[in-house]
Amino acid sequence: AQSVSQHNHHVILSEAASLELGCNYSYGGTVNLFWYVQYPGQHLQLLLKYFSGDPLVKGIKGFEAEFIKSKFSFNLRKPSVQWSDTAEYFCAVNGDSGAGSYQLTFGKGTKLSVIP
Amino acid sequence: DTAVSQTPKYLVTQMGNDKSIKCEQNLGHDTMYWYKQDSKKFLKIMFSYNNKELIINETVPNRFSPKSPDKAHLNLHINSLELGDSAVYFCASSGGRDSVYGYTFGSGTRLTVV
Repeated sequence: AQSVSQHNHHVILSEAASLELGCNYSYGGTVNLFWYVQYPGQHLQLLLKYFSGDPLVKGIKGFEAEFIKSKFSFNLRKPSVQWSDTAEYFCAVNGDSGAGSYQLTFGKGTKLSVIP
Repeated sequence: DTAVSQTPKYLVTQMGNDKSIKCEQNLGHDTMYWYKQDSKKFLKIMFSYNNKELIINETVPNRFSPKSPDKAHLNLHINSLELGDSAVYFCASSGGRDSVYGYTFGSGTRLTVV
């Protein structure tokens, strides 16, 4: 079974600070990796995803993530956060759950609060 | 055009009632899902359908019954609602493992059982 672990429950930063959110996964096969963002009261939106190729993935709104296979990690980074980045961030992984279906498994989320 | 649309957006109902949530996607995806997000924001898959066929049925009470009349629709019917069913339910769809679309989520249905 696949699982995802996000290290930080709540991160509080001042505007312009750099951000790194940790994500580790456990799965025996080839995985695809995702970061989703959920702004207050809204639905999940895809920030970025890794399927194959360059392990450094760039997403929307200045976010990037690095896949390190040896560490089973997919950490999310942003050099300078803004107040509008305040949201819940979810790391997710999918792999074959059998019968050709690729189940998306989420971490428990990290709440990011950016102070103006 | 909304890619994955859910109705209703909010649902307040009394314990013991039966209710349904509808989901439709216009992306041409083969696979649809229901996820439950609890009060601590934890997202857990409930069901997955691939071309109208049930693929994943996690440990969910059998009061929850998904129905997929065609691959563009996946509805969720809940019988005998309980207080613990209060949550936000998200529908999602995907085009499969290598799809450039990834997963697309609906805007969620906030269910409150009183």
